Amino acid sequence: NAGVTQTPKFQVLKTGQSMTLQCAQDMNHNSMYWYRQDPGMGLRLIYYSASEGTTDKGEVPNGYNVSRLNKREFSLRLESAAPSQTSVYFCASNTGGTTGELFFGEGSRLTVL
Amino acid sequence: QQQVKQSPQSLIVQKGGISIINCAYENTAFDYFPWYQQFPGKGPALLIAIRPDVSEKKEGRFTISFNKSAKQFSLHIMDSQPGDSATYFCATRPGSNYQLIWGAGTKLIIKP
Repeated sequence: NAGVTQTPKFQVLKTGQSMTLQCAQDMNHNSMYWYRQDPGMGLRLIYYSASEGTTDKGEVPNGYNVSRLNKREFSLRLESAAPSQTSVYFCASNTGGTTGELFFGEGSRLTVL
Repeated sequence: QQQVKQSPQSLIVQKGGISIINCAYENTAFDYFPWYQQFPGKGPALLIAIRPDVSEKKEGRFTISFNKSAKQFSLHIMDSQPGDSATYFCATRPGSNYQLIWGAGTKLIIKP
């Protein structure tokens, strides 16, 4: 099983450019999440989707939008990238609920110049 | 924003030694305490988790110790091995309707 697959793995953007990070899971999970990881700050939740058709803001949603395309896919969009969005982004999924084990992708490293 | 404070930020332990990582949280409503392990270039993966109705949980060389009155929980790695070198994150949540709150992470290096 592939688990959680993220694309692209690396991306360099200029300030103001837009891009979409793609995430797909093949575990039939109900819930999907987008986190960002910055040195010394742990993981911070950007958006999550508890089930197909729903999305909710996390701790740091500003500057991002998400789409739960179907049960498998959850995308994260940066409409106008800023240097503060330079980070490693992780998509995760689980069966549902915050005590369910989170399964993470391998991350997408984004640099905004 | 409620927080969980993780320490130390980095830790070097000799092979065969005990690695100890600590996390402190803010209020007694927190009710689930997982630890995740992350290797370089990979996403975090669940290592072990505990609920506040028990004071300790052991899985192989990994043990979570929980002190409800002190609002602290710790990860102990016995007989630490070079393959345990990774970044470890604690997490918790202030109740079932809330998302996980993560510690800042501890980079553990086990020296051969």
